[in-house]
Amino acid sequence: DTGVSQNPRHKITKRGQNVTFRCDPISEHNRLYWYRQTLGQGPEFLTYFQNEAQLEKSRLLSDRFSAERPKGSFSTLEIQRTEQGDSAMYLCASSQEILGGSFFGPGTRLTVL
Amino acid sequence: AQSVAQPEDQVNVAEGNPLTVKCTYSVSGNPYLFWYVQYPNRGLQFLLKYITGDNLVKGSYGFEAEFNKSQTSFHLKKPSALVSDSALYFCAVRGIRSGNTPLVFGKGTRLSVIA
Repeated sequence: DTGVSQNPRHKITKRGQNVTFRCDPISEHNRLYWYRQTLGQGPEFLTYFQNEAQLEKSRLLSDRFSAERPKGSFSTLEIQRTEQGDSAMYLCASSQEILGGSFFGPGTRLTVL
Repeated sequence: AQSVAQPEDQVNVAEGNPLTVKCTYSVSGNPYLFWYVQYPNRGLQFLLKYITGDNLVKGSYGFEAEFNKSQTSFHLKKPSALVSDSALYFCAVRGIRSGNTPLVFGKGTRLSVIA
């Protein structure tokens, strides 16, 4: 499968715990995006990488959130001290060029108890 | 700021009938416009995009969309709906003047095709 992959697919955690998600983009894509989707809403942008550089962060990305893409390949999204409001589907997408469509992974569904 | 409106939460259509899912947008400069589809427990799948050129864009699974600059709309259409088209559809926009800014999505429209 050469599409975008995300792990884990599901994560249940207790409030206050830290969680980390991984995204493996399509190999030749240099742009990588993280979005968050809650029930009944469209995806909302969180952050964007071009190669290893994090070029943009949304105001939705509080200080508890951090993302990395250390070698310009896979990316991780960490949420520290999770809150119930963090429960959502976290989507990763990649693209090769700015004019192209972004290709999305299956998402990681986070449930914070 | 960029924004997308999908005025219908739900669209119901009989199998074999034409379908339209509406989308209007607001963006500074010329827009890049996209449609995505989301099936249950699946990621978003790219359907089609408008960058420039012909106002009628053809995409995957027989879908097409018409760009109307004066009405700032980009409605998704299909001449003959299939039950398997039932899914959640998202319109998205990226402003050309905005450079590398990511996609801004609408809230989605749930399409139900009834046999």
